[in-house]
Amino acid sequence: GAVVSQHPSWVICKSGTSVKIECRSLDFQATTMFWYRQFPKQSLMLMATSNEGSKATYEQGVEKDKFLINHASLTLSTLTVTSAHPEDSSFYICSALKGAGGTITDTQYFGPGTRLTVL
Amino acid sequence: GESVGLHLPTLSVQEGDNSIINCAYSNSASDYFIWYKQESGKGPQFIIDIRSNMDKRQGQRVTVLLNKTVKHLSLQIAATQPGDSAVYFCAETENYGQNFVFGPGTRLSVLP
Repeated sequence: GAVVSQHPSWVICKSGTSVKIECRSLDFQATTMFWYRQFPKQSLMLMATSNEGSKATYEQGVEKDKFLINHASLTLSTLTVTSAHPEDSSFYICSALKGAGGTITDTQYFGPGTRLTVL
Repeated sequence: GESVGLHLPTLSVQEGDNSIINCAYSNSASDYFIWYKQESGKGPQFIIDIRSNMDKRQGQRVTVLLNKTVKHLSLQIAATQPGDSAVYFCAETENYGQNFVFGPGTRLSVLP
């Protein structure tokens, strides 16, 4: 199997505070993890690609200083929303790539998502 | 890549009928495709995948068809059940998994 977990599943925070979201691959090692943001009734929007041991690659329009990504091990990537504001309220989903990338067996497995509400 | 849809297409089917969900993709170089199911408030769940050297693949109650000529992908669900109600996304990637691009999604509603 391939299980990806996220913690917390739901977080409510005050405006101006920082929130850290963890993404873990529980039964496989993931060199590459992805972070997505999803607004209600919309598709997934890729925010950044996280590679273990190196800096994350951010998509155009995503502020790297606001959304800090750390991929310190092969099973854990974290997304920190710094100085959160109400417009950052969203559903954040991570995924982990099972495989080294570039092979036919690579599949992306998703976490259950984290709902962030900024008051 | 990113894909944003302001209005989710909705497909309503009677319980027990077959469902067909369609997806048009844009990159002719995409070589690997996946269908995901997302229930409300949850992360996407892998359903079935297909490689570009195939045009059909079957799973349990699901079939994916790939037409590379017109860059079209479809997901067929046989004997649709209430538990199939969800949003379904197709995803395409080039070079087998480096960068996934998601379609806008289709909401499937199963009527009793």
